[in-house]
Amino acid sequence: QVQLVQSGVEVKKPGASVKVSCKASGYIFTGYYMHWVRQAPGQGLEWLGFINPSTGGTNYAQEFQDRVTMTTDTSTSTAYMELSGLKSDDTAVYFCSTGAAAYDYWGQGTLVTVSS
Amino acid sequence: QSVLTQPPSVSAAPGQKVTISCSGSSSNIGRNYVSWYQQLPGTAPKVLIYDNSKRPSGIPDRFSGSQSGTSATLAITGLQTGDEADYYCATWDGSVGGGQVVFGGGTKLTVL
Repeated sequence: QVQLVQSGVEVKKPGASVKVSCKASGYIFTGYYMHWVRQAPGQGLEWLGFINPSTGGTNYAQEFQDRVTMTTDTSTSTAYMELSGLKSDDTAVYFCSTGAAAYDYWGQGTLVTVSS
Repeated sequence: QSVLTQPPSVSAAPGQKVTISCSGSSSNIGRNYVSWYQQLPGTAPKVLIYDNSKRPSGIPDRFSGSQSGTSATLAITGLQTGDEADYYCATWDGSVGGGQVVFGGGTKLTVL
C-alpha cells in the first residue's frame, strides 16, 4: 500500500530555514508528481508547489517562489521541501501529497513552529 | 482570501442532504477539473471526489460532485454524525505564472 512518511516536528527561529522530508513507498516514486500543502493553525489548505520526481522539474506557488525549494532523491524515494526566511506566519502543518488525478495519498504532516 | 469561494459553514440533521458550493472563475473551475477533500480534526485530508464527479474506490455514493460553468458543488446525502468535518474544493488555476493549485477556504459541516 502507498505510504508517505514525513519527518518530525521542527521548531525554528525567524529567519531560519527548515527542510521537511517525505519518504514514499508502495508505488513507483517517479510515476506521480509530489505536491506540498500547508495548513496554519485553524486555517485552510494552502498549496506550495510540486516537483516531478522523474525530471526534477518544479512549479512553485507564486507566493513562495523566492523562498521554497523542492527536491527529490530517487535512490531513496524521498521528497524534500525547504522553506527559507521563516516568519511566524509560516507556523503550520506541512503535508506532502501525491496521486494520479487528485491528492489520493497524504503524509501524516509535519508541524513547523516558528518562534523567537 | 481564497481564489475559490466556499461557505464557511453548513449544517443539517442526520439523514438529510447538504450541498457545499465552490465558486471560482474562468481561469480555474471554468476550464479545469475540481476535486473535493474531507478533513477530520487532526488528520490529513482525504479525497472524496476527483475530476468533478468521480469517486475513488471506497468512497460511498452518498458523496457526489458536479460542476457547471465556474462553480462546483459537493452533495452529501444520508448525513451521518461521522460526516462532521471540514470540506475543501481544489482545482488548477492557469492565471498566475505557470499555473498553480488553488483551494477553497473550507466549509465546516455540522450534523445537528
